[in-house]
Amino acid sequence: ETGVTQSPTHLIKTRGQQVTLRCSSQSGHNTVSWYQQALGQGPQFIFQYYREEENGRGNFPPRFSGLQFPNYSSELNVNALELDDSALYLCASSLESFQETQYFGPGTRLLVL
Amino acid sequence: DQQVKQNSPSLSVQEGRISILNCDYTNSMFDYFLWYKKYPAEGPTFLISISSIKDKNEDGRFTVFLNKSAKHLSLHIVPSQPGDSAVYFCAASVDMGRRALTFGSGTRLQVQP
Repeated sequence: ETGVTQSPTHLIKTRGQQVTLRCSSQSGHNTVSWYQQALGQGPQFIFQYYREEENGRGNFPPRFSGLQFPNYSSELNVNALELDDSALYLCASSLESFQETQYFGPGTRLLVL
Repeated sequence: DQQVKQNSPSLSVQEGRISILNCDYTNSMFDYFLWYKKYPAEGPTFLISISSIKDKNEDGRFTVFLNKSAKHLSLHIVPSQPGDSAVYFCAASVDMGRRALTFGSGTRLQVQP
């Protein structure tokens, strides 16, 4: 049974660019949630995908978008990067969106210059 | 508007003693609460949870207490071990844990040998 994996581990971009982050969910999990963790803060919910459909969204602008694929892996896309987008991006997979079964990946650290 | 607050950024405890981590919340709709532990370079790991119909839940050395009238919960670790040194996040959810998590900003626990 493989855990949640994320790629890349680190990334440096410049303001205005676009970025795609990837997440492979835990085997058997059909729900993926994405969180942004700024330095010194707790993770903030971006959105959740359940069976390839968006199933809830936090207070993030539309330039944050996502996809979930038939194998339940997921992508987070961020357009028009801003300096404040620098953060650790965490992906978590769970079974039927039940939080207690949620497993987090190690995250992708994004730095926007 | 922080709906989940952890007012102590750090806590230092001697090995073998009790560690008490505190969390306050403002949203009375929250009905499910979780604690996560996070080591550097890893994603948060689920530790223990409690639903609003209970006031206490135990799992080995870890006990979570919920005081709904005060909108306060705490995590007790007894006895504390050096391996418990990590950042601890309190999180809350609605719909009995089936919705996105709202996290506090975390408390860094250091257990001194």
